[in-house]
Amino acid sequence: NAGVTQTPKFQVLKTGQSMTLQCAQDMNHNSMYWYRQDPGMGLRLIYYSASEGTTDKGEVPNGYNVSRLNKREFSLRLESAAPSQTSVYFCASSGKTGTNTYEQYFGPGTRLTVT
Amino acid sequence: RKEVEQDPGPFNVPEGATVAFNCTYSNSASQSFFWYRQDCRKEPKLLMSVYSSGNEDGRFTAQLNRASQYISLLIRDSKLSDSATYLCVVNMAGGTSYGKLTFGQGTILTVHP
Repeated sequence: NAGVTQTPKFQVLKTGQSMTLQCAQDMNHNSMYWYRQDPGMGLRLIYYSASEGTTDKGEVPNGYNVSRLNKREFSLRLESAAPSQTSVYFCASSGKTGTNTYEQYFGPGTRLTVT
Repeated sequence: RKEVEQDPGPFNVPEGATVAFNCTYSNSASQSFFWYRQDCRKEPKLLMSVYSSGNEDGRFTAQLNRASQYISLLIRDSKLSDSATYLCVVNMAGGTSYGKLTFGQGTILTVHP
């Protein structure tokens, strides 16, 4: 049981290049999320998928697109990378653990640098 | 006002000390509350959910005060391995099929010998 996995772990891009960050979970969770974490800003939600077949914008969606490929996989795409997208990206998934409680579990992160 | 606010610290305490963190949240309709810990350059990991009646897990005790909209985390008998950033996290979306979490910026704890 690997939990949430992400690839790649590290990536360096030049401005204008594109790439896709991959995420997969094996906990049979319905919901998945993409966050970015920047110094002094905390974790901010980029996009989320409440269930297979649905995606919605979070707090900072500009410059990103997502695909919920199936229940297990949720990818994040940068179409034209900008230096402002230099960050650590975390994928997470959540499942119901109580009446109104959905605990989230995070992948190990992707450290992206855009030059 | 930030939606979830924490004292960033840092808190520097000796081994064996008791340390407490507080967190306030702005949305009175918030339903679920959590403490996560994050080690340097690692992913956040769930430490514990916070229930209305308060809950304890070993040396860790979490409390929720809905009237004042604050959450606390108490760590007893601190260990060197407790050194980390502690994130206060609130689900403001309520009991829906997903949990949009709002994260505080974290409180840095350093436990020294």
